[in-house]
Amino acid sequence: EDQVTQSPEALRLQEGESSSLNCSYTVSGLRGLFWYRQDPGKGPEFLFTLYSAGEEKEKERLKATLTKKESFLHITAPKPEDSATYLCAVRTGNQFYFGTGTSLTVIP
Amino acid sequence: NAGVMQNPRHLVRRRGQEARLRCSPMKGHSHVYWYRQLPEEGLKFMVYLQKENIIDESGMPKERFSAEFPKEGPSILRIQQVVRGDSAAYFCASSAGTGDFPLHFGNGTRLTVT
Repeated sequence: EDQVTQSPEALRLQEGESSSLNCSYTVSGLRGLFWYRQDPGKGPEFLFTLYSAGEEKEKERLKATLTKKESFLHITAPKPEDSATYLCAVRTGNQFYFGTGTSLTVIP
Repeated sequence: NAGVMQNPRHLVRRRGQEARLRCSPMKGHSHVYWYRQLPEEGLKFMVYLQKENIIDESGMPKERFSAEFPKEGPSILRIQQVVRGDSAAYFCASSAGTGDFPLHFGNGTRLTVT
């Protein structure tokens, strides 16, 4: 069965304290791994797509990497405005399977 | 720069009433997905549509739920005879095609059944 698991469920960081979020997956026929950011009361906002092991993408303080079994979202020197829930999703066939997310809180 | 538009943002229905949720995809997108999100749970796939066709409805309950995406106008998710368990946030997403494109989401409709 296709599965996506994110860890940790929640993460509290001091401003400037770098860390990583994990997304592990078991799917057949991966067509892409996607990272999203979701703020309370809003829909998920697209961040990155990764297609193959070894691929990396960067945007401001965020960097996403992909291996054959998992993806990491690295957050460098986070700021309070980075506080949000980060979701990963994998695509197989027509379907996108989402993890339950990591709730990130960055404390000033 | 119109993104995915969903309305209404909030919808309150009494048990037994019908709920209609609307979604206009991003300009140029002809593929629409509907997801349901409950607190502490992930986004659960419901249905995938292209213009005038249901491609995959494997995530949608067989009874009371239906979806359409007509040639003209928005996609509609319809829930008949709502029950309290239908209370959730319903998100619509659109994509540019069948290639490896990401989904772009609207801000959802929060349905409350009283």
